[in-house]
Amino acid sequence: AQSVTQPDIHITVSEGASLELRCNYSYGATPYLFWYVQSPGQGLQLLLKYFSGDTLVQGIKGFEAEFKRSQSSFNLRKPSVHWSDAAEYFCAGRRGSARQLTFGSGTQLTVLP
Amino acid sequence: EAGVAQSPRYKIIEKRQSVAFWCNPISGHATLYWYQQILGQGPKLLIQFQNNGVVDDSQLPKDRFSAERLKGVDSTLKIQPAKLEDSAVYLCASSLGERGDEQFFGPGTRLTVL
Repeated sequence: AQSVTQPDIHITVSEGASLELRCNYSYGATPYLFWYVQSPGQGLQLLLKYFSGDTLVQGIKGFEAEFKRSQSSFNLRKPSVHWSDAAEYFCAGRRGSARQLTFGSGTQLTVLP
Repeated sequence: EAGVAQSPRYKIIEKRQSVAFWCNPISGHATLYWYQQILGQGPKLLIQFQNNGVVDDSQLPKDRFSAERLKGVDSTLKIQPAKLEDSAVYLCASSLGERGDEQFFGPGTRLTVL
C-alpha cells in the first residue's frame, strides 16, 4: 500500500539545538510530499511541499526538507529550534495522479528550555 | 483573508445520539475535505467535495456518516447514530484546486462520545 511513515512518535530537543524529523514514503513513482505542523487546539499548517526539481525544499519558519529517492525519505530539518516550535508534525504524501493525501501518524516535538 | 471556520469547537454526546458539524471554507476554494483525526494518529480523509459534488468518499462509514455541501460553499458532516469509536477531532480543510496541493485547515471539532 502506498503510505507515509513517521518512525518517531516523540522527539525532545533543547532550545537552540538542531532538529531532524524523519519521514519515509512507499510510493512507486515520485510522490508529492508535504510537511504540516499542528499546534494544540489548532488546525494543520503547511510548512513546505515537494513536487519535483530541487530536492532541498525551503519552507516557512526556517524549516527545510530534503527529498532522497535512494532512501525513500523526506526528512524535515531546522538548524536551531525555538520554544515556539513545540507542536506535532505530520508528513503527508500522494501519488502524482491521486487526489487523496495520506498522512503519517505524526511526531510530537518537545522543546526544553 | 479569513481562514476555514468550523463549529462547534467541542461536542460531548452519548452513544447512539446524533451530531452535526459545520464548516465554512476559504472564499473561492472549490475543494472541501473532511478528515477524522483519532488521538495519536494522523488525519484520515472521510470525504472530498469538488464544488458541491463528491469526488471521494471511499473511507466514509456511510451507514452512520453523511455529508453535504450546499451551493458549493458551506458543508455539514453528520453522524447518526454515534459510536464510542467516533470520538476524534473532525477537521475541515479547503483548497483552490482538486489535487489538494495546499490544503488550509480549520481548527477542528473535538467530539467525545460517552
